[in-house]
This record gives sequence, structure tokens and C-alpha cells, in this order.
Amino acid sequence: EVVMTQSPATLSVSPGERATLSCRASQSVNSILAWYQQKPGQAPRLLIYAASTRAANIPARFSGSGSGTEFTLTISSLQSEDFAVYYCQQYNNWPLTFGGGTKVEIK
Amino acid sequence: QVQLQESGPGLVKPSETLSLTCVVSGYSISSGYYWGWIRQPPGKGLEWIGTMSHGGNTYYNPSLKSRVAMSIDTSKNHFSLRLSSMTAADTAVYYCARRSLPENYFDRWGQGTLVTVSS
Repeated sequence: EVVMTQSPATLSVSPGERATLSCRASQSVNSILAWYQQKPGQAPRLLIYAASTRAANIPARFSGSGSGTEFTLTISSLQSEDFAVYYCQQYNNWPLTFGGGTKVEIK
Repeated sequence: QVQLQESGPGLVKPSETLSLTCVVSGYSISSGYYWGWIRQPPGKGLEWIGTMSHGGNTYYNPSLKSRVAMSIDTSKNHFSLRLSSMTAADTAVYYCARRSLPENYFDRWGQGTLVTVSS
């Protein structure tokens, strides 16, 4: 199974600042990676697929990059509604696996 | 706009079998797409349980494969999950979701239902 490791576990950022979240795969998953946002009490929401393609209706301040084993989700200027937990998921191999999440909190 | 809604018991006794249903509205599940289940223990991360095609092909997480069964009922436009031999470790919010075409990420999710395993 491909193990997905996210860092940091918690990221403290001020509104308007840039946030950079990392996701590492235990083996190459090519560019077959998605990012999700989850707010308290809500289901995850798809942000990014194919490592860098924004899903429908996702603001341009969210961007994804990377391939192979190293991936990054960048939020260019944090808005109040962006404080949440973010998960990466690889779908290059069975079983599908998720990272442990990064919580983005207000500094 | 496709919507998914989970239903099932909120409380299950140890060793019993969990049965959950996901009703899909705004889209006919017989038309295509694949459908999945993901769970999240309280305060923890996400775990993929399984995925099923509209035609009935199934893909299960090996860690749960011996206890999982998914089914689909196109006449009722819903799909279901059965998880046997439940233990406290299976306590989680269970989400149903739509798998995107043609890739294995999930683009629509239900709101989730909390299942607690306790006697």
C-alpha cells in the first residue's frame, strides 16, 4: 500500500498570508493525486485532482504542484473560509490511500 | 445537481453487521460513474473502504475485504455497504461518495453518518 505522509500536522497562518502544505508518497504515484478540504462537521470537498487541476468552482488561490513522490498544495492568500483540514489522496494504486491531514489554523 | 445521502443505524453492537444505504438524487446511478464508501474515525483521517461500478464490479480495501460487501440497486437509485463483525475500532463517520470519471478521486460526497459500536 502507498503510504501518504502530510506535513506539517498543523500550520498557523495569518489571514492574507500564503500557506504551503506538503504531501509525500512512499512510492511514485506519478501525478495521480487529489487534494480535499474538510471543515468541522462537513464532508471533504474536492479541491485539486491530477496533482494540479482545480476542481469546478474552486478559487484560483488554490494551486497544486508536484509529481512522483512530492506534492504541494498552495493557498496564495488565506481567506477566513480556508481555515480547515486538508487531505491528499493518491489514486494511482490500489488501495486508495489518504494522508493524515494538515490543519490550517488562524495565527 | 447530484446529491448523496447516507442512512442507517447510529448504533451497532459489537460483532453485529452494519448496513448503510446511500440514496443518490439528481442523477441515475445506472447511467455511469462509480460509487464509493469512505470512513473517518472521530478526530482522525480518512480511510477508503471500497468502490463499486454501476455494473456491480467491486474494489475493496484489503484491510477490510473479508468483512465488506457493497451492492447497488439501480431501481431505487441507491447503493449499500455491509460491514460485518463490527468492533469499537469501526466507530466512525461513514461517507458515501461519487467517484469521478475516469479517475479514482471523489467529486461528490454525502454529509456522512456517525456509526458508534457499543454494547
